[in-house]
Amino acid sequence: DTGVSQNPRHKITKRGQNVTFRCDPISEHNRLYWYRQTLGQGPEFLTYFQNEAQLEKSRLLSDRFSAERPKGSFSTLEIQRTEQGDSAMYLCASSLKNSYEQYFGPGTRLTVT
Amino acid sequence: GQQVMQIPQYQHVQEGEDFTTYCNSSTTLSNIQWYKQRPGGHPVFLIQLVKSGEVKKQKRLTFQFGEAKKNSSLHITATQTTDVGTYFCAGSVPPNSGGGADGLTFGKGTHLIIQP
Repeated sequence: DTGVSQNPRHKITKRGQNVTFRCDPISEHNRLYWYRQTLGQGPEFLTYFQNEAQLEKSRLLSDRFSAERPKGSFSTLEIQRTEQGDSAMYLCASSLKNSYEQYFGPGTRLTVT
Repeated sequence: GQQVMQIPQYQHVQEGEDFTTYCNSSTTLSNIQWYKQRPGGHPVFLIQLVKSGEVKKQKRLTFQFGEAKKNSSLHITATQTTDVGTYFCAGSVPPNSGGGADGLTFGKGTHLIIQP
């Protein structure tokens, strides 16, 4: 499968714990995006990378959220001190630099209890 | 900030009937994209519109981009059960417009429910 992959697919954690998600984009895609989606809503943009550079962060991304893409390939999204409001599906997408079409991964569903 | 609104939120149709969803942006867009998300699935890219007044067709699907590049529509002719899902429009604003250049702003989607 050469699509976007995300791990884990599901994560249940207790409030206050830290969690980290991983995204592996399509190999030749140099842009990588993180979105958050809650039930009944559209995806909300969080941040994006071009290669290893984080070029944009949404105001939705609080200080507890951090994302990295150290070698310009896979990316990680970490949430520190999780809150119940962080429960959502976290989607990763990738694209080529000069293409607007974004390919989404299956997402990581986070449940904070 | 940029807002993208979609109507209706839900649409129930009988199989074979037509379906239309409308998308409106609070700001002028550089392009608009449409995605489909099946229940339990992830968004899948359908099409991108870039030019003012552009119309594109994909089999039974017709996509339009408004002249002012602030609204768009998706029309499905003779719906089939495979069309079930949520249809999202997503816009991006021109560079240096202060809207967050490359992250897409999604609407809340229109949930299409088809009754056989």
